Amino acid sequence: DTGVSQDPRHKITKRGQNVTFRCDPISEHNRLYWYRQTLGQGPEFLTYFQNEAQLEKSRLLSDRFSAERPKGSFSTLEIQRTEQGDSAMYLCASSLDEGTDTQYFGPGTRLTVL
Amino acid sequence: DAKTTQPTSMDCAEGRAANLPCNHSTISGNEYVYWYRQIHSQGPQYIIHGLKNNETNEMASLIITEDRKSSTLILPHATLRDTAVYYCIVENNNDMRFGAGTRLTVKP
Repeated sequence: DTGVSQDPRHKITKRGQNVTFRCDPISEHNRLYWYRQTLGQGPEFLTYFQNEAQLEKSRLLSDRFSAERPKGSFSTLEIQRTEQGDSAMYLCASSLDEGTDTQYFGPGTRLTVL
Repeated sequence: DAKTTQPTSMDCAEGRAANLPCNHSTISGNEYVYWYRQIHSQGPQYIIHGLKNNETNEMASLIITEDRKSSTLILPHATLRDTAVYYCIVENNNDMRFGAGTRLTVKP
């Protein structure tokens, strides 16, 4: 257990529905990252926050994807109008901004879109 | 695109050292080499990282060549629980790009 928690661990939804995932980082970590991982591939970076500021979002997969970190603590990732191709593991990581950037990952949320 | 090249898979006998190679020939001077592993259905687990010097911690050793174009992760006494996918990543300015990694299978 790294101290990064994600909820839910599994989500099954029907195509067209909206889903929201939550990530709670390690408490003193000011950076928070979201990744997507499909079967047989390594994690793919989506976006990251420094405190409440979203510093990189150009690699979000489409405008159906959005993320927030309103108070600089937990974060949510929302996918609107889900498609079957969104089925994947969504991973959250956090790090402490001090020189190197060792990221600690949560257990992930597995999304299945029917 | 990932900036590293790793073998797709490797086997290792239980109790022996596992040596996992990684090529990163385009690495820049300020980029770190990170290693993570991922056991099935879990999030990636941090193992070790380094810039120029060799590094060792309780999990593994990292050997970086003098020209920094390649590195080797060493698990000194592999156990069955070390079976996982191992990712070698070159990290710069928060950008951590994972490739497909090396699937290490430790056999009894």
